[in-house]
Formats: sequence, structure tokens, C-alpha cells
Amino acid sequence: QQQVKQSPQSLIVQKGGIPIINCAYENTAFDYFPWYQQFPGKGPALLIAIRPDVSEKKEGRFTISFNKSAKQFSLHIMDSQPGDSATYFCAASRVLNGQNFVFGPGTRLSVLP
Amino acid sequence: DTEVTQTPKHLVMGMTNKKSLKCEQHMGHRAMYWYKQKAKKPPELMFVYSYEKLSINESVPSRFSPECPNSSLLNLHLHALQPEDSALYLCASSQGQGVSGELFFGEGSRLTVL
Repeated sequence: QQQVKQSPQSLIVQKGGIPIINCAYENTAFDYFPWYQQFPGKGPALLIAIRPDVSEKKEGRFTISFNKSAKQFSLHIMDSQPGDSATYFCAASRVLNGQNFVFGPGTRLSVLP
Repeated sequence: DTEVTQTPKHLVMGMTNKKSLKCEQHMGHRAMYWYKQKAKKPPELMFVYSYEKLSINESVPSRFSPECPNSSLLNLHLHALQPEDSALYLCASSQGQGVSGELFFGEGSRLTVL
């Protein structure tokens, strides 16, 4: 119930493409869904996050789509750039128990020039 | 200031050594965390301090000993580690329990146990 599934494990796109990373969760108590971006040798950094009361959130080239009934959410990167090449982790937590962030296994994205 | 600062960035130690990892934040956050991250894996929670008290210990071996001297500082004391403990150790902070918000991660301490 605590698991967050993430796919694909790795993804290669051309510059300008729109990579999509998908996550699914089981625990309906989760109410905060962030995406973290991690470059080699660095700590993860928050990219964008969503609460289940909205179905979509956009920040710059990054968009989260959220499907509460399916318990799924996804990250779309518009006009992807080589600088977006990184590992992306989805996560889920419950605000009242905000200390327990459950991470997905990660997706390694490579954007080719 | 939205940084979590970790020292040292790299640490090499033998299995009989005693060393410490340090973490500092000045964002007024009341929850601080230690995570362990192996290559190509997500961060794995080790400990959580909430309001300077240990609130979560994810069954971490006693050779890892956390300490929270005050609300801005978090230490991880290491003793008698094993080679399989080699990993990136990440410190993070957040506003605290019951408050929706992001985890702020440091850049990590890369630990190698010989």
C-alpha cells in the first residue's frame, strides 16, 4: 500500500520531444504528489507538485496530470532540452503525516541534441 | 536562504573508523531527515527528527547514530560500517509534520567504506 510505481525505467528522446513519465499509487490517503529531479552527484530538487483537488498543474515546460480515480499521475516535459537529462522521481505523501515521502524507483531521462 | 548544507562532500573510511556527517539548514524548518541513496535507486529514508526529537527510525542498524543538537543541525555518527554501507547520504528538511511542502535536499555526502 505504501509503494509508488513508476515507468518507464529509462527514456531517450530527441531535443524538442515530449517525454512522459507515469506513476501509480495504492494508498488513497496520499494527498501530496511531488516530482523531484536529480542530476548526477547532486541531491534531488523539487520540480513541481500537485494536490489531488486539481487534475493538472503546469509550471513552465513541466506539467503534472493527475487522475484521482485511477490513482495515477504523470509528468510531461514540453520542448525537452539536453539540460533536462536527469533522473526523475515521483513521490507521494500524506500531509498529516508529511514526514513520510514514498519515492518511486526513478526514470533516467536522456534528451539527445 | 533555501539551502541544506552537508559536510563533508566525500568521505572514505575503514570499517573500524568513527566519523560523522553533518547537515545544516537555516530555513526555520522543524523536520530534518537522513536518507541513504544507492546508485540508480531512489532515496531510502533512515531517520526523521521532528522538533529536535527522533520520530522515525526505519530499522537502521545501530552503527548509524543520528543526533539533532538543535533545530538547524543534524548529525549522523558512523561507526564500524560495512562496505555495503557505501552510498550517497542525503540530508533533507521540511517545514514539519502536518504542513504540506517540499523536501529540501542537500547535495549529499558520498561515503566509501573500505
